[in-house]
Amino acid sequence: RKEVEQDPGPFNVPEGATVAFNCTYSNSASQSFFWYRQDCRKEPKLLMSVYSSGNEDGRFTAQLNRASQYISLLIRDSKLSDSATYLCVVKWSGGSYIPTFGRGTSLIVHP
Amino acid sequence: GAVVSQHPSRVICKSGTSVKIECRSLDFQATTMFWYRQFPKKSLMLMATSNEGSKATYEQGVEKDKFLINHASLTLSTLTVTSAHPEDSSFYICSARDWSLITDTQYFGPGTRLTVL
Repeated sequence: RKEVEQDPGPFNVPEGATVAFNCTYSNSASQSFFWYRQDCRKEPKLLMSVYSSGNEDGRFTAQLNRASQYISLLIRDSKLSDSATYLCVVKWSGGSYIPTFGRGTSLIVHP
Repeated sequence: GAVVSQHPSRVICKSGTSVKIECRSLDFQATTMFWYRQFPKKSLMLMATSNEGSKATYEQGVEKDKFLINHASLTLSTLTVTSAHPEDSSFYICSARDWSLITDTQYFGPGTRLTVL
């Protein structure tokens, strides 16, 4: 069983739509969570960390559900420039620090 | 924000040659750096964890004699692809861990696109 799972998509939405991605993780000792964005043929870039109480950055909202072991990313008022692959990253507590990446969810925002 | 650079950004070489890729953390010290490779439309694959002053830890299936990693300083890690072959053609991305009392975040370099002819 994969440690971090994401629906690869693609999610194809019109401009202005609201879209949400989920990411599930298997290790209950997971401690830190992040969303990264990767554009085609580019490196991943940190979008936002995910805090236990949930956090918002402009049109982006991240939430953590420890009981169900998933994190989510909500994008409101989608822009064409939001088209990218969104990677979920989970870090386990204890032991060596090796962040685990999901395979990514592809988002395509069309006019 | 933190910046990680990678050099070269693109390299084309003949089969059998060795290629060195540098990864630098520009405004923080990174005791830990990571090397990934990514094939087109595929997910990132962790190759190895590079620790400053000690040997790298390689993931299962990654040949350490083929992919030599050196992390001689707190701001520089290098990956050398030895005796490169066409199947080594890929996008290689490094990342550096920015870890302090107030932060623990991973930042990526812009990647190196390797093409082996």
